[in-house]
Amino acid sequence: GENVEQHPSTLSVQEGDSAVIKCTYSDSASNYFPWYKQELGKGPQLIIDIRSNVGEKKDQRIAVTLNKTAKHFSLHITETQPEDSAVYFCVTDAGANNLFFGTGTRLTVIP
Amino acid sequence: KAGVTQTPRYLIKTRGQQVTLSCSPISGHRSVSWYQQTPGQGLQFLFEYFSETQRNKGNFPGRFSGRQFSNSRSEMNVSTLELGDSALYLCASSRGGTSYNEQFFGPGTRLTVL
Repeated sequence: GENVEQHPSTLSVQEGDSAVIKCTYSDSASNYFPWYKQELGKGPQLIIDIRSNVGEKKDQRIAVTLNKTAKHFSLHITETQPEDSAVYFCVTDAGANNLFFGTGTRLTVIP
Repeated sequence: KAGVTQTPRYLIKTRGQQVTLSCSPISGHRSVSWYQQTPGQGLQFLFEYFSETQRNKGNFPGRFSGRQFSNSRSEMNVSTLELGDSALYLCASSRGGTSYNEQFFGPGTRLTVL
């Protein structure tokens, strides 16, 4: 089955700095790579996604990059704000109608 | 538009009992997926239903089962509860079709098995 590895598990940054989270996956059938943010007491929420035919996608302060050959994808958050503090999950679909979640990164933005 | 709702939000059971959790998807969404979230194993896929049919199943024992009704509402059942079943159970709905459809998660049901 699909194996999604995510690093780092925890990340602390100063407000205004950038944060980068990296993931690798194993199943070459994966075509869809969403990122979810989970705040305390809530379910995960989609923040950005990328499909296998695209190498990079940006939405305001958030960007994702995908290297399908190397099976790597990353999340970049610029100009971090305290409200960015949450757990972030990288996800793949392994070509199926379900999602495989990474182990999560707890991001803390220090004001 | 109302989001995904899950009931109950918290549940305490003892070993050997069974439990039923409920999920109401966003109106118009035909796909409902269930996930188990634990500190040790993270978020793991349980199963997905689309138009009352189970389309996919994760690697969980047969004690975990589910169903979907004609109005797309879904229930999951866990029989013969074990201590290790303590977790946050999340339900997610999407329009369906493919995994490219954004999945909207509910707040989860926190199950504690004593």
